[in-house]
Amino acid sequence: DGGITQSPKYLFRKEGQNVTLSCEQNLNHDAMYWYRQDPGQGLRLIYYSQIVNDFQKGDIAEGYSVSREKKESFPLTVTSAQKNPTAFYLCASSVGLALETQYFGPGTRLLVL
Amino acid sequence: AQKVTQAQTEISVVEKEDVTLDCVYETRDTTYYLFWYKQPPSGELVFLIRRNSFDEQNEISGRYSWNFQKSTSSFNFTITASQVVDSAVYFCALSGTNTGGFKTIFGAGTRLFVKA
Repeated sequence: DGGITQSPKYLFRKEGQNVTLSCEQNLNHDAMYWYRQDPGQGLRLIYYSQIVNDFQKGDIAEGYSVSREKKESFPLTVTSAQKNPTAFYLCASSVGLALETQYFGPGTRLLVL
Repeated sequence: AQKVTQAQTEISVVEKEDVTLDCVYETRDTTYYLFWYKQPPSGELVFLIRRNSFDEQNEISGRYSWNFQKSTSSFNFTITASQVVDSAVYFCALSGTNTGGFKTIFGAGTRLFVKA
């Protein structure tokens, strides 16, 4: 079955620690995205990538970093510079960028200890 | 600028009632797509429908129907004979070419409670 997987489902971060959220897709999509969702809120774009080895900042990129070394994978690192990381993180992919349907993974819930 | 407004924050209905979720959008693009997604309590966003700006035909899929009206910049979603399993947050989204870039804008979502 084609789809998007995210791991872990829950992640706990200590103060000053960097953590990495995994996102893998086997849909052969070129574009991938990371969104942040706070309780009761909509989605905010963190980073997106149109092709391998290329990515762009979204609306709230500060305190986050990404890489896109493989078409299937788009990991997100939440750095210690992100002072309020507690949120639900959703990864998505689409065939291309504009005018395409985005398909979402199951999400990772990040909590700060 | 592009914008999606879902004015209804929460809606509560009793099972078997019909319910309409409103979505109003703003864009200067002539070519754009509109989407609806469902987010059940598990968290994953599930794609429901995509509509392009040149197709104003209403769409029906089982108990779901969508009404797209460019004249009022609205793309409303109706659930007929609602069921408890319809309880979720529903997001409307807009994707356009946005003058050389890309942008998919999500509304803030409408939380639907369907009571048995």
